[in-house]
Amino acid sequence: QVQLQESGPGLVKTSETLSLTCTVSDGSISTYYWSWIRQPPGQGLEWIGYIYYSGRTNYNPSLKSRVTISVDTSKTQFSLRLSSVTAADTAVYYCARLPNSAGAKYAFDIWGQGTMVTVSS
Amino acid sequence: EIVMTQSPATLSVSPGERATLSCRASQSVVSNYLAWYQQKPGQAPRLLIYGASSRAIDIPDRFSGSGSGTDFTLTISSLQSEDFAVYYCQQYSNWPGITFGQGTRLEIK
Repeated sequence: QVQLQESGPGLVKTSETLSLTCTVSDGSISTYYWSWIRQPPGQGLEWIGYIYYSGRTNYNPSLKSRVTISVDTSKTQFSLRLSSVTAADTAVYYCARLPNSAGAKYAFDIWGQGTMVTVSS
Repeated sequence: EIVMTQSPATLSVSPGERATLSCRASQSVVSNYLAWYQQKPGQAPRLLIYGASSRAIDIPDRFSGSGSGTDFTLTISSLQSEDFAVYYCQQYSNWPGITFGQGTRLEIK
């Protein structure tokens, strides 16, 4: 059973860069898209972007100028960097798997537990 | 951006009754790549339905999805206590990407 686990600082200063890592355990990082999604307190879900194991990416146009998602297949990890953060970036950040072929195609079928990131000066 | 609009924002239903949740897209959803999720407080969302009508692994058959094009529905046939939660729809398109609805809160009447 594949499991995802987010890790990274819970507090980031305004204007700095938020960095998170998602570790994929008990499974292969190949074949799927790997995504980041966030949820501000009391609000809905916002897709940030995804990466294929080959390195191909697709980002939410509203965040594209500030987002970088990368993958390290040797460590079965993928990472998120979000630059120039403000209080509006305060949210629970989830990593999730997005099948792109068989199974639950283009639906997030496995999620991490989420990690709360607060942006404050 | 493809905007997903869910209605109603809040739905009050008694246990044992049927609940019908709606999701409308601002343009046609490619190949019916439409999914539904359930989220309980403090938990990550859980996939219920993908491809508009296919149940995910271990999802009870009281959950069903239907629809195509721009109009989609999630039906819960006989509500159990554990079904009271927030439900989100989500569409996939290669460009401009993935969007979620704003959610429907299903509460006990």
